[in-house]
Amino acid sequence: GAGVSQSPSNKVTEKGKDVELRCDPISGHTALYWYRQSLGQGLEFLIYFQGNSAPDKSGLPSDRFSAERTGGSVSTLTIQRTQQEDSAVYLCASSLMAGNGYTFGSGTRLTVV
Amino acid sequence: AQSVTQPDIHITVSEGASLELRCNYSYGATPYLFWYVQSPGQGLQLLLKYFSGDTLVQGIKGFEAEFKRSQSSFNLRKPSVHWSDAAEYFCAVGLSGGGADGLTFGKGTHLIIQP
Repeated sequence: GAGVSQSPSNKVTEKGKDVELRCDPISGHTALYWYRQSLGQGLEFLIYFQGNSAPDKSGLPSDRFSAERTGGSVSTLTIQRTQQEDSAVYLCASSLMAGNGYTFGSGTRLTVV
Repeated sequence: AQSVTQPDIHITVSEGASLELRCNYSYGATPYLFWYVQSPGQGLQLLLKYFSGDTLVQGIKGFEAEFKRSQSSFNLRKPSVHWSDAAEYFCAVGLSGGGADGLTFGKGTHLIIQP
């Protein structure tokens, strides 16, 4: 597509529920990134995919968070048993290759009530 | 660990006036440097980047930034701001340009434009 597409744009969920956030990168972009943006923490790097592989998952905040990428394209970020502190905007970005500067999506605003 | 400091949380500038947004970084080596802009409800848009070479880099929307190694700074400038420049501006650094290690972002500077 023309840009990085994220869905849903807004998600309100009850504490304890699982949520899935989707990112559709720019076609041909091999590198994909997830960031979290919150008032208290600013922008935090979560995970990077080169193709379908994520070499380092240590940036994920807890073991309730997982991410996958299939077919070198779409990625999903899953948060299990959501907590109120998970409320944030989750941003996805992609680039043609690592280090090239990112194109960000508009984000998914997650609110846990 | 690397860090990025944007000392000004808010800056107010009159339309047509010049602008300088400050960014200082702490890093073991010269990192890749970026400036992004975020309008309300939007993702981040890349304004410009510095990897190597000429220390004065030109970006989109009339912005430029100057890398000063001795000051560990990468300040963003614009000679004459427009009302549409009102937004949040983020400085970011990365060892590999934001690959496996991602980018480290500053807390952002909120730019307000006065008519």
